[in-house]
Amino acid sequence: DAGITQSPRHKVTETGTPVTLRCHQTENHRYMYWYRQDPGHGLRLIHYSYGVKDTDKGEVSDGYSVSRSKTEDFLLTLESATSSQTSVYFCAIRGQDQFIQYFGPGTRLTVT
Amino acid sequence: TQLLEQSPQFLSIQEGENLTVYCNSSSVFSSLQWYRQEPGEGPVLLVTVVTGGEVKKLKRLTFQFGDARKDSSLHITAAQPGDTGLYLCAGAGGSQGNLIFGKGTKLSVKP
Repeated sequence: DAGITQSPRHKVTETGTPVTLRCHQTENHRYMYWYRQDPGHGLRLIHYSYGVKDTDKGEVSDGYSVSRSKTEDFLLTLESATSSQTSVYFCAIRGQDQFIQYFGPGTRLTVT
Repeated sequence: TQLLEQSPQFLSIQEGENLTVYCNSSSVFSSLQWYRQEPGEGPVLLVTVVTGGEVKKLKRLTFQFGDARKDSSLHITAAQPGDTGLYLCAGAGGSQGNLIFGKGTKLSVKP
């Protein structure tokens, strides 16, 4: 258990509304990641962070922004949600071994 | 762009059968991980392979990393219903060591 929680676990929202998902870790890991998982696409990296206020884009970053104001929290924001952003979102942290990531339980987001 | 092709996409077998899942790429990876994911949960790491030709065993699961570090396989002996789940391979590469995931193999083991 890498001490990762995600909130909310489920959310239904309407097209055009802003949405923020939160990832919280308790073990002071430097690297944190946001992925989305969709049928037929597997896990795709949205954004990642390598320290407080240090973030970078991943493979599918359009329509998403992130913030990391303290080590333990990594926020993912959809400024104006669209139906194509309906997905399951996973947060992950990098462990001591730089190649290993540990995942949170996920947030299921539905945009109607 | 690095890609990982995972096959088969779906696998439905009877308890006691053996199976192999493949993960292939044209790119070289620093390491390769295998994860297992159950419905409603996040992926959980099973193993990491780092050296070309490396073989690791985890009870009935055998993982192999190709000599050229471009491919990997997962072999399950005498599958059990508890092995049911989504199996994901992930390769580590690039300057930040980010992971590239295959699309997964959904395994169903029927009693």
